[in-house]
Amino acid sequence: GDSVTQMEGPVTLSEEAFLTINCTYTATGYPSLFWYVQYPGEGLQLLLKATKADDKGSNKGFEATYRKETTSFHLEKGSVQVSDSAVYFCALSDRYSGAGSYQLTFGKGTKLSVIP
Amino acid sequence: SQTIHQWPATLVQPVGSPLSLECTVEGTSNPNLYWYRQAAGRGLQLLFYSVGIGQISSEVPQNLSASRPQDRQFILSSKKLLLSDSGFYLCAWSLQNGELFFGEGSRLTVL
Repeated sequence: GDSVTQMEGPVTLSEEAFLTINCTYTATGYPSLFWYVQYPGEGLQLLLKATKADDKGSNKGFEATYRKETTSFHLEKGSVQVSDSAVYFCALSDRYSGAGSYQLTFGKGTKLSVIP
Repeated sequence: SQTIHQWPATLVQPVGSPLSLECTVEGTSNPNLYWYRQAAGRGLQLLFYSVGIGQISSEVPQNLSASRPQDRQFILSSKKLLLSDSGFYLCAWSLQNGELFFGEGSRLTVL
């Protein structure tokens, strides 16, 4: 079945450091790929997405490129801020759940802490 | 615009007591609805999804059940809670491209 593997955290960085959170996937079809972010005590919010190979998703300074050859979707940010402290989830959408919609398979999440 | 709300936000219940978590979506029709559980160190686990009124699919056998009495209402229930039911429960709805929109979450502690 489909699966998503993320680097284990927690990740602790100093403000303005470069961030990479690795994500690799296995899927039988051609999934869409997502990064979600969860701030403390809140639900998940979509951070960025990519729907086909070589697409680059970007938002709030974060980027991730859909690499089919390496089945990866690594999240990067050039200069993190304290406000980026959160849990980041990589996810793929592949399995059809009916009525034109798909289910998401999530990674286990990576907790990022940014210190001043 | 679409919004999703779930409640209660926090719940502390004794073992063996019943549970009811409610989720409603506004601003869209016939959404696909989902219940996820987030347990410490285990990521997100899909519990139930629904593609229409009265249509519930269960992903994991467990002590919980779900119902969809109205198009934009999704309820998570249990008749008798277990300690292992503790966790952070998230309701979500989806667009056709698989993108999920999550509620604020409900933290359940079973004592």
